[in-house]
Amino acid sequence: DAEITQSPRHKITETGRQVTLACHQTWNHNNMFWYRQDLGHGLRLIHYSYGVQDTNKGEVSDGYSVSRSNTEDLPLTLESAASSQTSVYFCASSEGGKAYEQYFGPGTRLTVT
Amino acid sequence: EDQVTQSPEALRLQEGESSSLNCSYTVSGLRGLFWYRQDPGKGPEFLFTLYSAGEEKEKERLKATLTKKESFLHITAPKPEDSATYLCAVRTSGNTPLVFGKGTRLSVIA
Repeated sequence: DAEITQSPRHKITETGRQVTLACHQTWNHNNMFWYRQDLGHGLRLIHYSYGVQDTNKGEVSDGYSVSRSNTEDLPLTLESAASSQTSVYFCASSEGGKAYEQYFGPGTRLTVT
Repeated sequence: EDQVTQSPEALRLQEGESSSLNCSYTVSGLRGLFWYRQDPGKGPEFLFTLYSAGEEKEKERLKATLTKKESFLHITAPKPEDSATYLCAVRTSGNTPLVFGKGTRLSVIA
């Protein structure tokens, strides 16, 4: 069955370190998204991609970067982790066109100490 | 600016006590409204898409409806396993990502 996976599921890192969160989908979807979810804020869009070599900034992109070298993967990098980036991160994917339902991964809980 | 507001923030129901969750939106050109269910510690799970006013979708004890300004998620005779956070999101004109509301946390007590 097609699926979307994230790794690691839990990560503890120190302030200032570079961290990369992986997202891999086997739906063959063109669109991929990264969100963070915090109490009181709901899901907030970080970056998204509509295809290979395409990346776009979302609502809360400062301090994060992504690159899309193939259809299946959209890794999220925190260039220099900050305590404000402690959160739960979700990756999602969707087809293009009218079928815009997004399918979410299980999430990565990141703690920056 | 596109906005999605969900109410109430939290809802506590007795098993079998039917109710509705609200999702109101202010967008320029709605191209779809989406409902998701999220269990603690998991990613959101897609439930329904509604495209035009008057449209309804059903799944087990859940029924979603859409008007020009809001959507309702009706829960009929809920069970404890319906406890979750319910999120709604909208897609607007242009090739823009979904805009999510903050969710309604539903608790169904046996």
